[in-house]
Amino acid sequence: QKEVEQNSGPLSVPEGAIASLNCTYSDRGSQSFFWYRQYSGKSPELIMSIYSNGDKEDGRFTAQLNKASQYVSLLIRDSQPSDSATYLCAVGGERGSYIPTFGRGTSLIVHP
Amino acid sequence: NAGVTQTPKFRILKIGQSMTLQCAQDMNHNYMYWYRQDPGMGLKLIYYSVGAGITDKGEVPNGYNVSRSTTEDFPLRLELAAPSQTSVYFCASSYFKGTSVYNEQFFGPGTRLTVL
Repeated sequence: QKEVEQNSGPLSVPEGAIASLNCTYSDRGSQSFFWYRQYSGKSPELIMSIYSNGDKEDGRFTAQLNKASQYVSLLIRDSQPSDSATYLCAVGGERGSYIPTFGRGTSLIVHP
Repeated sequence: NAGVTQTPKFRILKIGQSMTLQCAQDMNHNYMYWYRQDPGMGLKLIYYSVGAGITDKGEVPNGYNVSRSTTEDFPLRLELAAPSQTSVYFCASSYFKGTSVYNEQFFGPGTRLTVL
């Protein structure tokens, strides 16, 4: 049974700060990693995907992957109140195992 | 493109009733999925499909059925509704080639179902 663990939070950060969201996974063969943002009452929206060790940057978002430690994180720079949402980590299994497993999500609150 | 659409947005069912949740996508995606999300929980996979005519069970399939007669549509059938099926249901789709690891999912707006 693949497991994806996230701290449920809430993680509270002041506006302008860096928010750091973390995710660990159990399947060492996992090859694909996703971060989805979900506003209250809305559907998940893909914001980042990462497939190789290291950092991937897209605007204010940086995804970091460390396969040796089975750890993936999402950094949000210059956090805005509009970033307040639940962030879901999803992990895809070995090549050919195409169904991502989702964590429970971390609630982020950015206060002015 | 409309993306992934779902109907209805909300529904209240009585115990024992049946209904079909509709899902359609216009992105020519081959893979489609049904998830349920309970409060404070992540997404639980109910059923998925890798193409027209092919479906398979996910983590929580009991009480549900699916069919996929076309690439675009993937309805979810609830038979004999129970209070435990009160949840938010999301349909998703993706384009996946079996030789790659890329499988980015796009979600519909969801259906909020209450069973009383």
